Amino acid sequence: QQQVKQSPQSLIVQKGGISIINCAYENTAFDYFPWYQQFPGKGPALLIAIRPDVSEKKEGRFTISFNKSAKQFSLHIMDSQPGDSATYFCAATTTGNQFYFGTGTSLTVIP
Amino acid sequence: NAGVMQNPRHLVRRRGQEARLRCSPMKGHSHVYWYRQLPEEGLKFMVYLQKENIIDESGMPKERFSAEFPKEGPSILRIQQVVRGDSAAYFCASSSGTGGMKPQHFGDGTRLSIL
Repeated sequence: QQQVKQSPQSLIVQKGGISIINCAYENTAFDYFPWYQQFPGKGPALLIAIRPDVSEKKEGRFTISFNKSAKQFSLHIMDSQPGDSATYFCAATTTGNQFYFGTGTSLTVIP
Repeated sequence: NAGVMQNPRHLVRRRGQEARLRCSPMKGHSHVYWYRQLPEEGLKFMVYLQKENIIDESGMPKERFSAEFPKEGPSILRIQQVVRGDSAAYFCASSSGTGGMKPQHFGDGTRLSIL
């Protein structure tokens, strides 16, 4: 059973636009929600992460929005650039346990 | 380079051979995780180890697969008698602890191809 459900599977955005990727989870014990960015031939790299005691976290052009009651969180990429074209994974975990990853979103930013 | 180091980057084996994948965690990290990634799919957890201990192997196939993280040296993921279905990218990640704000840092993976 997929612990973290991610959508969409793929996304095409114009340069300068906003990219939005969504994730949902069921386990209310999850206490850490990171997002990873992966380029072809490379390993996933940590992009930004949030804990459930805050509703939003912003780092540069990247923002995580967290809705605890709906058990959903999303990644927003503002002013999307061609260099942002990559696969993005959301994840969730509880202290002392494994990370559960979403199935990934392939983002293409068109110049 | 203080990052997670995996080798080899590419490994080709014939069916029935053994594959050994190595992972050196980041300096100061004592927690190692192995994942498998198939094309167009997400990361599937395989096993979580600390030095000399397997903490969680719930994602690892019961047969042919084993993992270790000895007191000295890298973590090893071993696949015996490989089959075509073992072809995938295998990623190792390390962390300084679990959960909370102790993120996992990934290596660039080993791409295993079975002929």
